[in-house]
Amino acid sequence: GQSLEQPSEVTAVEGAIVQINCTYQTSGFYGLSWYQQHDGGAPTFLSYNALDGLEETGRFSSFLSRSDSYGYLLLQELQMKDSASYFCAPLGVSSGSARQLTFGSGTQLTVLP
Amino acid sequence: NAGVTQTPKFQVLKTGQSMTLQCAQDMNHEYMSWYRQDPGMGLRLIHYSVGAGITDQGEVPNGYNVSRSTTEDFPLRLLSAAPSQTSVYFCASSTSGRGNEQFFGPGTRLTVL
Repeated sequence: GQSLEQPSEVTAVEGAIVQINCTYQTSGFYGLSWYQQHDGGAPTFLSYNALDGLEETGRFSSFLSRSDSYGYLLLQELQMKDSASYFCAPLGVSSGSARQLTFGSGTQLTVLP
Repeated sequence: NAGVTQTPKFQVLKTGQSMTLQCAQDMNHEYMSWYRQDPGMGLRLIHYSVGAGITDQGEVPNGYNVSRSTTEDFPLRLLSAAPSQTSVYFCASSTSGRGNEQFFGPGTRLTVL
C-alpha cells in the first residue's frame, strides 16, 4: 500500500531554520520530490532526491534515506515569502506501470516576523 | 513559452451539468496529468497520460473522462457534475527527468451547486 506522513503545520520566525519531515511507503519507489504551494497558487517544484544524502539548492536542502523511507526539507534563513504549503511527493508505481507522484496533505509553514 | 495553460479559471455548474476543462502545454512533454485539490488536502491524481492516444486512471477517476489526441492537449470532462466535485483542478505536464518534475497550470476553481 501507499502511505505518507508529514506534519500539518510548522511555525518559525524570520531568519530561523526549519525542517519538515516526511515518512512514506510507496510501491516501486524511485525517489522523493518536494513542492511548494502558496495560497491560491499552483504547486511548484523544489527538489528531487533519487539517492541517499543531502541535495542543496540555495537556502533549501532536501535529504533522503531510502532504508528508513524518510526524507526532510530544510529551509534556512527563513523569509516571509517562504510562508506556504510544502508537499513531499514520493515517485513510485501504483496502478499500471507508469511512474506516479503521490502527494500528501502538505505542511503549512508560517513564518513570523 | 506559455508553459501549461488551463481554461476556464473559474466555473460554476449546477448538479447534473457536464463540462470540459481545457489544458494545453507547449513544452512537448510526454506526460500529462489531472489532479484535484480539496481544502486542506493534497493533490489527488484523477487521470494521466503517458503520450498521445494513451490514458490511464489515477486515484480518483470516477465521474471524469479524458482523452489525449495530441501531445499538447489533455481535456478533462465532467460527465454529470455533482457537489462532491467542487474542487480546484490542476493540470500538469512533465518529462521523465528530475523525478517526473510536474509543471502545473494555474488551476480551475470549480463549484457545483
